[in-house]
Amino acid sequence: QVQLVQSGAEVKKPGASVEISCKASGYTFTSYPVHWVRQAPGQGLEWMGWVHTGNGNTKYSQRFQGRVTITRDTSARTAYMLLSSLRSEDTTVYYCARSRSHSGNYLWEYDAFDIWGQGTEVTVSS
Amino acid sequence: DIQLTQSPSTLSTSVGDRVTITCRASQSIISWLAWYQQKPGKAPKLLIYKASSLESGVPSRFSGSGSGTEFTLTITSLQPDDFATYYCQQSNIYYTFGQGTKLEI
Repeated sequence: QVQLVQSGAEVKKPGASVEISCKASGYTFTSYPVHWVRQAPGQGLEWMGWVHTGNGNTKYSQRFQGRVTITRDTSARTAYMLLSSLRSEDTTVYYCARSRSHSGNYLWEYDAFDIWGQGTEVTVSS
Repeated sequence: DIQLTQSPSTLSTSVGDRVTITCRASQSIISWLAWYQQKPGKAPKLLIYKASSLESGVPSRFSGSGSGTEFTLTITSLQPDDFATYYCQQSNIYYTFGQGTKLEI
C-alpha cells in the first residue's frame, strides 16, 4: 500500500544536526513532492519545506531558512530532512507528508498533503 | 504570513451531534484550504481538500465549505471515532495551519 516510513527517534545535543529519512513505497516516488512538517508537544503543526522528488528542487519556510536542508535519493525512494544548529525548541515530532497532487499538475504546490509518515521524535538536550 | 484562526478551540459534544468548526484566514486564500483530523500519537489524516472536496475514503458525514477568508468543517451525526483534534491548513502562500479544535465527549 501507499505509505511513508520514517526513521527512528533521535536524541541530540544543542548545536548538533539531525537527519531524518522518509522512505516511500506503493507509488512512483518521483511523481509526488514531499513536505516536512513538525509539531511541538501539545502544539500545532508547522510546515518546514518541500522537495520536488523529480528534479530535486526545494522550497523552505523562511523560519527555517539556512538551518534546514531537504534532499531526496530517487534510487532509494527516500526523502531526507537535515536540521542543523539544534536548540531545545527543536524538540518536537517531525513528519514527512506527500503532496496530494502529481508534480505534473501545475497547481501541485497548492494542494493538500494526503499521505503522512508515522512521525519521528527528536529530543534536543544537553 | 497568513494566519489561520480556528474556533472554537475546544468543543464538548456528544455522539449524534452536528458539529461546525470555523477557520478564518488573515487574507484571502481563495479555496486553498484543507482540513485534517489528528488523534493522539498519530499523524494527521486528510479529510477535505480545496475547501470542499472530500478525500477518498473519508465518510460523507464530513463536509467543507467556504472561500476567501471564511471556511467551515461540518460533521453531521458525530461518531465515537470522530473525537479528535481538527486542523485547517492553507496552501495559497506557503503553508500554515490553524491552532486546532479539540472535540471532547
